[in-house]
Amino acid sequence: GAVVSQHPSRVICKSGTSVKIECRSLDFQATTMFWYRQFPKKSLMLMATSNEGSKATYEQGVEKDKFLINHASLTLSTLTVTSAHPEDSSFYICSAIRDSRPSHTQGSRSPYGYTFGSGTRLTVV
Amino acid sequence: GNSVTQMEGPVTLSEEAFLTINCTYTATGYPSLFWYVQYPGEGLQLLLKATKADDKGSNKGFEATYRKETTSFHLEKGSVQVSDSAVYFCALRTSGTYKYIFGTGTRLKVLA
Repeated sequence: GAVVSQHPSRVICKSGTSVKIECRSLDFQATTMFWYRQFPKKSLMLMATSNEGSKATYEQGVEKDKFLINHASLTLSTLTVTSAHPEDSSFYICSAIRDSRPSHTQGSRSPYGYTFGSGTRLTVV
Repeated sequence: GNSVTQMEGPVTLSEEAFLTINCTYTATGYPSLFWYVQYPGEGLQLLLKATKADDKGSNKGFEATYRKETTSFHLEKGSVQVSDSAVYFCALRTSGTYKYIFGTGTRLKVLA
């Protein structure tokens, strides 16, 4: 099936530093990717919708300057947590929608064209 | 606004026990309903879905029925296995959008 690779799976960083999380669609093109965040014992919350070649659309309450999203190619979106603080510690997960254009690789499709990455556990100390 | 409420875990069962994970939702219109599963170290995988009232989604022995009258989509399995140990997320998606609303997730642990 369609595979979305997310890296790193775990990261620990110091307060004030920036952390970049990558989300790659390995065998399909994804014009649209999504970034979610999960607080402990709470739901996965959509942070932003990332569109290839254009600015991301952020959900209400999400700081654009804090969570920088770049979707420069059809297979890669990045989320950069800038000037991280302990309250940014969370589980971040991306997802991607299979593009309507044919993929150049073989492989079965993910059901309904929507695939999640494995997530990144960020701890800011 | 739209929301999903699912039972808190963790749920611990013995192998071959019956499983129910409750999920209720609030939504305008007629959403599609989903169950996703996350095995350790992996991403969310679609387990089953239902798109309209009275639809039953099923996969790998799991079932859930879209109950509009009770706004519920409870997940059931008649006989769980150790390999079913994972986190299960209930979710909804309103028509015309790819935006999902997730529940908090329920961790299931099945003991041999």
